[in-house]
Amino acid sequence: AQTVTQSQPEMSVQEAETVTLSCTYDTSESDYYLFWYKQPPSRQMILVIRQEAYKQQNATENRFSVNFQKAAKSFSLKISDSQLGDAAMYFCAYRSWRATSGTYKYIFGTGTRLKVLA
Amino acid sequence: EAGVAQSPRYKIIEKRQSVAFWCNPISGHATLYWYQQILGQGPKLLIQFQNNGVVDDSQLPKDRFSAERLKGVDSTLKIQPAKLEDSAVYLCASSPGGSAPNSPLHFGNGTRLTVT
Repeated sequence: AQTVTQSQPEMSVQEAETVTLSCTYDTSESDYYLFWYKQPPSRQMILVIRQEAYKQQNATENRFSVNFQKAAKSFSLKISDSQLGDAAMYFCAYRSWRATSGTYKYIFGTGTRLKVLA
Repeated sequence: EAGVAQSPRYKIIEKRQSVAFWCNPISGHATLYWYQQILGQGPKLLIQFQNNGVVDDSQLPKDRFSAERLKGVDSTLKIQPAKLEDSAVYLCASSPGGSAPNSPLHFGNGTRLTVT
């Protein structure tokens, strides 16, 4: 069974600095997607960035980028030029395909709370 | 496009009472997910629908939880009777269904349930 582990319950970063959130996962599959979701106090989960396992190039979205190490099963999120609005819970998620039902299954980590200090 | 709609936003009930949550996914999304998120934890899948059929309900406490998506559109999740440990945020999410690799999950705002 697939698992997702986020070993940092809480992280702090100074405004305008860079922070890296860690995520490791376990799977025997070769084709999958990985995601980072942000959950602000409003509770709505917002997609930050996604990575396809078969793509070697790391995904980037503006100030957000990932370091995807497939062999090590590691998927960290780097936030550059941190802003106060980045403060939230961040969840790493693994997605696999259920061939029997033709749907996707998502597994989430336990989350990392990011605090941004002014 | 309109997002995933959930109601109510908050609910406070006493243990042993019943409660129902409603979710309307994004129009055209065939797959609907209900997650339970206990404070300090990640979302845990309760039940997944593909149209009006159940794909996965392996982690749904069926003695007290039930869910339906009769017409393959909106869905209701019910708890009866509620226990203290059911206090959590209940998140609904949807996706187009089928093999649409570039389409992520879309979430609603969730319902925060407090059982006293």
